[in-house]
Amino acid sequence: DTAVSQTPKYLVTQMGNDKSIKCEQNLGHDTMYWYKQDSKKFLKIMFSYNNKELIINETVPNRFSPKSPDKAHLNLHINSLELGDSAVYFCASSQARMASGYTFGSGTRLTVV
Amino acid sequence: DAKTTQPPSMDCAEGRAANLPCNHSTISGNEYVYWYRQIHSQGPQYIIHGLKNNETNEMASLIITEDRKSSTLILPHATLRDTAVYYCIVLTDSWGKLQFGAGTQVVVTP
Repeated sequence: DTAVSQTPKYLVTQMGNDKSIKCEQNLGHDTMYWYKQDSKKFLKIMFSYNNKELIINETVPNRFSPKSPDKAHLNLHINSLELGDSAVYFCASSQARMASGYTFGSGTRLTVV
Repeated sequence: DAKTTQPPSMDCAEGRAANLPCNHSTISGNEYVYWYRQIHSQGPQYIIHGLKNNETNEMASLIITEDRKSSTLILPHATLRDTAVYYCIVLTDSWGKLQFGAGTQVVVTP
């Protein structure tokens, strides 16, 4: 069973479009995260939700909006996609924000053309 | 949270021990040292963490110097599957958000 699953795995879309990436975890964790890894391979945290409540919101354009319908799901919606949004987006979860217990998904490679 | 410095890359022969250094000279008393790794095209994976004492688990050992200004991650018998980017991260207590630096690209060769 996949612990943290993201869909889709690959996403190619045109500039200006709106797209969503879905994430689900079956570990019973109460905290979920979105990370972005750009072409230079730096992995940066974007958002974190704890029990459906937003607890981390890094400096990210307003075009990015996370939504957590329940503590097992954290989706990422991106409006008006730009070329610079091309990256690999990783979802992760942990229990009680324990830094030793992050479990990451396999990533969604977003390409904006 | 304290910053860390790691060499950008290192090679290791298969079957030999890989010793990955990390410098965290500004670490404070309540900050932990965490190690994660990212195998190509996968999400990062937790390896080990420690505060003061040396730690060992099934994946690796963590040696922290007495002054806590540096640490070494040891992969005792490196395999080809250990080829990955290894990240050393320092965090205040266990609740901090994981922030990844550039890490060390480790290549294990046959």
